[in-house]
Amino acid sequence: AQKVTQAQTEISVVEKEDVTLDCVYETRDTTYYLFWYKQPPSGELVFLIRRNSFDEQNEISGRYSWNFQKSTSSFNFTITASQVVDSAVYFCALSGFTGGGNKLTFGTGTQLKVEL
Amino acid sequence: EAQVTQNPRYLITVTGKKLTVTCSQNMNHEYMSWYRQDPGLGLRQIYYSMNVEVTDKGDVPEGYKVSRKEKRNFPLILESPSPNQTSLYFCASSFGLAGGVLTDTQYFGPGTRLTVL
Repeated sequence: AQKVTQAQTEISVVEKEDVTLDCVYETRDTTYYLFWYKQPPSGELVFLIRRNSFDEQNEISGRYSWNFQKSTSSFNFTITASQVVDSAVYFCALSGFTGGGNKLTFGTGTQLKVEL
Repeated sequence: EAQVTQNPRYLITVTGKKLTVTCSQNMNHEYMSWYRQDPGLGLRQIYYSMNVEVTDKGDVPEGYKVSRKEKRNFPLILESPSPNQTSLYFCASSFGLAGGVLTDTQYFGPGTRLTVL
């Protein structure tokens, strides 16, 4: 079975602070895919990033960066200089063969609140 | 514009009254899926479809039905809704699996908030 753990239920920061959202996963597969989605207060799910298990390069996209470490089974997400518009629930998800291959296994999400 | 649409967006109904939530995508995706989102549980898969006339159960299929008669549409049917089906529902689509694994980015619909009284 596969599992995704987002231990941080809720994080509050002040605008311009950096914040890291943790994601730890469990899988027996050697090939798998990891995803991050953002769910703003309006409710839709917005795709942020997809990473396969063979690509351990860190990714940076503007104020967003992702740190993928297979050794610790983690795929953490950092927002630099957070803004109020970053307030949302963030989900980490995993797709792998032993999870059935046909679905995303989601973590329970981290609620990020960015205040002025 | 590439998108997944769901209707209705909001629905309040009563126990036992059959309802259908529609889902349509315009990206010619083979794979479609339904998830429900509940507080503290994240998103859990209800049913999925690999292509027309090919559907299968996900993790929480009890009380739900689906059909896939056309590639673009994947309706979710609640034959006799109960209060424990009160939830936020998402439809998703993507291209098919590769090597038995969902590798492609899932495109999600805007969600349907269902309340069963």
